[in-house]
Formats: sequence, C-alpha cells, structure tokens
Amino acid sequence: DQQVKQNSPSLSVQEGRISILNCDYTNSMFDYFLWYKKYPAEGPTFLISISSIKDKNEDGRFTVFLNKSAKHLSLHIVPSQPGDSAVYFCAADGGSQGNLIFGKGTKLSVKP
Amino acid sequence: DTGVTQSPTHLIKTRGQQVTLRCSPISGHKSVSWYQQVLGQGPQFIFQYYEKEERGRGNFPDRFSARQFPNYSSELNVNALLLGDSALYLCASSLVVYSAATNEKLFFGSGTQLSVL
Repeated sequence: DQQVKQNSPSLSVQEGRISILNCDYTNSMFDYFLWYKKYPAEGPTFLISISSIKDKNEDGRFTVFLNKSAKHLSLHIVPSQPGDSAVYFCAADGGSQGNLIFGKGTKLSVKP
Repeated sequence: DTGVTQSPTHLIKTRGQQVTLRCSPISGHKSVSWYQQVLGQGPQFIFQYYEKEERGRGNFPDRFSARQFPNYSSELNVNALLLGDSALYLCASSLVVYSAATNEKLFFGSGTQLSVL
C-alpha cells in the first residue's frame, strides 16, 4: 500500500505560469518531507524540504506547502521555466532506518 | 569534485544469474544508500550503510545483500535474479548517516539500469 501518493502522472504548464504539484500521504507519523527532481539519465536531485513544524517553506521560485490535517503537500513553481521540465518526486522521511519513502512521481512539462 | 559514481551504467542478465553493482560516494561522504526504481514507480529503499555497517534495510528478500568498504565505496549484490528485479538501481551518499533529524541530504548517482531476461 502506497504511503506517499502522487496521483497526477503528468502536468503540462505554459512557461511563466505557475506549476502546482500535489502529494498525499497516509501515515500521520511522517514529520519531514522532501521534493526531488529527476532529469532523464540522471539521478534525483534534492529540491526543497519541509518539516511538520512548518506549513510553508520557500526557496527562490520553489515553495512547498504542508497541510498536516489533510495529509497533503504541494510544490509551487513560479514562474515555470522550460528547464523545470522533469519528473518530480515527493518523499517522506521514513524514520530511524534513514530511508526515504517516495511517491511515483509527476512528469512536468513546461512549454515555451 | 565528482558526484556519486555508479558502474556499470547498463547491464543485461538472465534469470537465475547473480549481479554486482558498484557505487563510489562523493569524496568525504561516509554513508551509502541503495534504492530500486522499477519503471513507473518511485525509488524504493533497499539498504543504508555507514562506516561499513548496515544501518537500515528495506523490505527486500535475502537475495539482496550489500557491503561497504574501508574507502566507503559499496557493492550491491543480487542473487538468483528474477524478471521483477529489472529496474534502475540508484546509489546515494551522505556525509554521515542520513537522517532528517541531522538535516542531512542524499546525493544520488545516475544509477545502473539492470535488465533481467
């Protein structure tokens, strides 16, 4: 059973507009979340994270929002650029094992 | 400064064979983690090693094993390969044991694409 869910396999956005990528989780014990970006033929690269003590974290064009009551987080990219086209993975920290629990990913396409 | 390097980049094996995948962490990083990414899925945790000791293990059968060497490089071994083992195997390194509590970050290599026929 998937503990981290990304229900949109793909998203297409026009350059300059906002991209919103969504993620849901089932385990209320999760207290730290991360977003990774993956280009083809490359490994995932860390993008931004958020702790459950916050509801928002910003880093440049990227903002992650966390709604603990809804067990939902979202990644906003503003403005979107063609170079943002990649697969975005939402992940939750799994705890003492040092593991990350990933969603299936959302493929973002930003069109010029 | 080189990133995480994995070898080989691609590998084709047949069912029942054994395979060894290799990973060199970023210089100075002492922890290595292994993940399996099946097509259409997110990466799934297999192992974490720190200072040559296993520090975490995911829900994988005993056919999967790993070790870490004194130079912090690591090998992942898979015995008795099944068709379902076909996947991208990702290695990630961190300075110390990965933990959200220490605000560590995982740095991933490009992976080894394993095809089992």
